[in-house]
Amino acid sequence: SQTIHQWPATLVQPVGSPLSLECTVEGTSNPNLYWYRQAAGRGLQLLFYSVGIGQISSEVPQNLSASRPQDRQFILSSKKLLLSDSGFYLCAWTLPYLSVNTEAFFGQGTRLTVV
Amino acid sequence: GENVEQHPSTLSVQEGDSAVIKCTYSDSASNYFPWYKQELGKRPQLIIDIRSNVGEKKDQRIAVTLNKTAKHFSLHITETQPEDSAVYFCAASKGASGGSYIPTFGRGTSLIVHP
Repeated sequence: SQTIHQWPATLVQPVGSPLSLECTVEGTSNPNLYWYRQAAGRGLQLLFYSVGIGQISSEVPQNLSASRPQDRQFILSSKKLLLSDSGFYLCAWTLPYLSVNTEAFFGQGTRLTVV
Repeated sequence: GENVEQHPSTLSVQEGDSAVIKCTYSDSASNYFPWYKQELGKRPQLIIDIRSNVGEKKDQRIAVTLNKTAKHFSLHITETQPEDSAVYFCAASKGASGGSYIPTFGRGTSLIVHP
């Protein structure tokens, strides 16, 4: 069966520090991978998605970046965090095509607080 | 790109009442419409979905309806219970060229069921 791991679960970082959140998927190949941010009381904002190794699409301009060094690994990074980067970050995967089972599977999320 | 509007942002009902959440989408080529439930502090999880070749789908106390002509779809929860309290997200997607599937989410509805 497929599983998705995201870590860390919580993170408190000072303004200006770097960030690295990691997400890995098991049990499937060539998934589409996504990073979402959920600010308090807000919806799911798509930050990045990837349809293959090294292929990253950015939905919102910001000081965050994403990388996909391996097929089932997706990393969210920042060189210098801002206070506005605080939020709940969710990694997700879907099959790359519309099939019988095309739901999005989410990781447990990372609660990031920038202080 | 696709745009999904979701209403209301907050819905408060008494236990046993029905709850209805509505979404509209902009891209007439969208053909897959899932609904996710996110309990407090947890990841969103799929609760029901519908494809464009059907108008209604039901699973116990929850049902989803789709009007392709009007480009809107709705989630119906009957006999609500306190454990139904959560944030609900609608989404829309289509199989894009190259076989990629990128879901667009609504902003979410916070459902509160009062005992």
